[in-house]
Amino acid sequence: DAKTTQPPSMDCAEGRAANLPCNHSTISGNEYVYWYRQIHSQGPQYIIHGLKNNETNEMASLIITEDRKSSTLILPHATLRDTAVYYCIVRVAINAGNMLTFGGGTRLMVKP
Amino acid sequence: GAVVSQHPSWVICKSGTSVKIECRSLDFQATTMFWYRQFPKQSLMLMATSNEGSKATYEQGVEKDKFLINHASLTLSTLTVTSAHPEDSSFYICSAPGTSNTGELFFGEGSRLTVL
Repeated sequence: DAKTTQPPSMDCAEGRAANLPCNHSTISGNEYVYWYRQIHSQGPQYIIHGLKNNETNEMASLIITEDRKSSTLILPHATLRDTAVYYCIVRVAINAGNMLTFGGGTRLMVKP
Repeated sequence: GAVVSQHPSWVICKSGTSVKIECRSLDFQATTMFWYRQFPKQSLMLMATSNEGSKATYEQGVEKDKFLINHASLTLSTLTVTSAHPEDSSFYICSAPGTSNTGELFFGEGSRLTVL
């Protein structure tokens, strides 16, 4: 699986959009970008994933650059409950039996 | 979405004793489950892959005789930490792939082990 690079930490004001970047310059054509988050002392939670088109669901939006070498997770209106570590992971989706390899992630702190 | 449940959510034990952690897929079947370990302020590290009906596969550096894994059925995998020591204190998390082809993994709530 391709390696990803994320900033170790970010702050965001409550109610504002949180934009979390991820660099995955060695991504292969059949690899998807997945985002998970882990709230303190809980298991990771799936947020969103995409291949090359931008994606949106009830939790977030995922913007993938045209060359697919980077992406941005957008939480449109961050709340205090969005404070968590966010992991960007690249892997082949069809190998659903394969594990996820977690990097360091970005620790997002949403402040009042 | 699919639900994975772990039990217990936290456990305290004495050094030298064994502790069993259960991981269940509540509304789907999982032939494969993954066990992760997470130390404070660190990321999740894969320990082993649990396979229903066959032996687990362990990551390099993980002692298979210390961390016993049994995938007893299509909805249950157990991790037993044998002869636990304080350095085994950690947050243990299991996960299972869903039944769709999206590649999504569902994670349990985690089990915090403290060895005194």
